[in-house]
Amino acid sequence: AQTVTQSQPEMSVQEAETVTLSCTYDTSENNYYLFWYKQPPSRQMILVIRQEAYKQQNATENRFSVNFQKAAKSFSLKISDSQLGDTAMYFCASTVAGGYQKVTFGTGTKLQVIP
Amino acid sequence: DGGITQSPKYLFRKEGQNVTLSCEQNLNHDAMYWYRQDPGQGLRLIYYSQIVNDFQKGDIAEGYSVSREKKESFPLTVTSAQKNPTAFYLCASSRIGQGRTDTQYFGPGTRLTVL
Repeated sequence: AQTVTQSQPEMSVQEAETVTLSCTYDTSENNYYLFWYKQPPSRQMILVIRQEAYKQQNATENRFSVNFQKAAKSFSLKISDSQLGDTAMYFCASTVAGGYQKVTFGTGTKLQVIP
Repeated sequence: DGGITQSPKYLFRKEGQNVTLSCEQNLNHDAMYWYRQDPGQGLRLIYYSQIVNDFQKGDIAEGYSVSREKKESFPLTVTSAQKNPTAFYLCASSRIGQGRTDTQYFGPGTRLTVL
């Protein structure tokens, strides 16, 4: 069974600054995927970034990047140049690769960007 | 535009009534999923379906039922047997194939309140 842990229920960051959200996971699988989803006040879940476990290179998507530490089972999200529109709940998630994918979600981190 | 639609956005139910939440996708995705979201918790899987006329229970299926008569549609019925149905419900879909894992994309959600 997979587990995903987000230990920071709430965080805040000044506009234009950088913030890092933490996530740890546990899995016995070798091939898996990790995700960060964003849920703004509208409550629509939006994919932010995705990492394939077999790739050593950290995924990046514009201002969003991850620090994937496979041995430590850590998957943190870095948001650079924070914008007011980044205010949202952020969920870390994992799934085993191949076929049907059961996605396991963390409990979320509420990020507030302060003007 | 391709996407996932859920209706209604808000739904009120009296105790003892069954209600059905709609989920439609025009992404030509094979797999569809229903999640429940409660405050302070991550998303929990209710049911999923990989193919028409087939579906499987997730982690919290008790008190819920689904059908998958068309590839595009995956309605969820919240029955009177569900003891605490007040929650936010999210539908998702993804491509699926042998050895391939694809990202789940989410609808805008339905907020169900039991009066």
